[in-house]
Amino acid sequence: GQQLNQSPQSMFIQEGEDVSMNCTSSSIFNTWLWYKQDPGEGPVLLIALYKAGELTSNGRLTAQFGITRKDSFLNISASIPSDVGIYFCAGQLRGGSEKLVFGKGTKLTVNP
Amino acid sequence: GAVVSQHPSRVICKSGTSVKIECRSLDFQATTMFWYRQFPKQSLMLMATSNEGSKATYEQGVEKDKFLINHASLTLSTLTVTSAHPEDSSFYICSAIPGPRKRGYTFGSGTRLTVV
Repeated sequence: GQQLNQSPQSMFIQEGEDVSMNCTSSSIFNTWLWYKQDPGEGPVLLIALYKAGELTSNGRLTAQFGITRKDSFLNISASIPSDVGIYFCAGQLRGGSEKLVFGKGTKLTVNP
Repeated sequence: GAVVSQHPSRVICKSGTSVKIECRSLDFQATTMFWYRQFPKQSLMLMATSNEGSKATYEQGVEKDKFLINHASLTLSTLTVTSAHPEDSSFYICSAIPGPRKRGYTFGSGTRLTVV
């Protein structure tokens, strides 16, 4: 099946530091979505991207849809303890159905 | 807006019994819903696409007779795990596309199934 390569797999940072994670693929996507999942909960949508080159912010979070339509990144500035969780990228393939392809996730740990 | 409610959040059942999980879109109509399975420390694995008024589309390797999906209305899809076995224990999550502008996919809060 289609693969989204998400990196890094895990991150351990100090409170206040900035964080960057990204997803790449060999396939072209129409939509890139970034989700955060807390233990025992469903994923919560953070940012949705629909156009190549689109740069969108949501508070301390910023994400971009790559120009090639094959990648996306998510930045978190000035991290706080509640940023802890697993972050997933997800994409909808160009010409594909409505179903999403998910990355394997980035586990973020923030030390106070 | 765009809330998806999933019930129950946790269920424990005995081997051989069936379990039904409900997924409801509370403030929008969803012609399409998706069912995922997630193993510990892993990503979400799409099981099937649920289409209102028609048969679900199952992903390769997912047993449709094992995981029965019914999408009888525009706000409700159900997943029934039939004749459950311990290996069916997992975290099951549904999602839906809020329309008409389809801004993102909204997920339910998940159901932790434990088969003993």
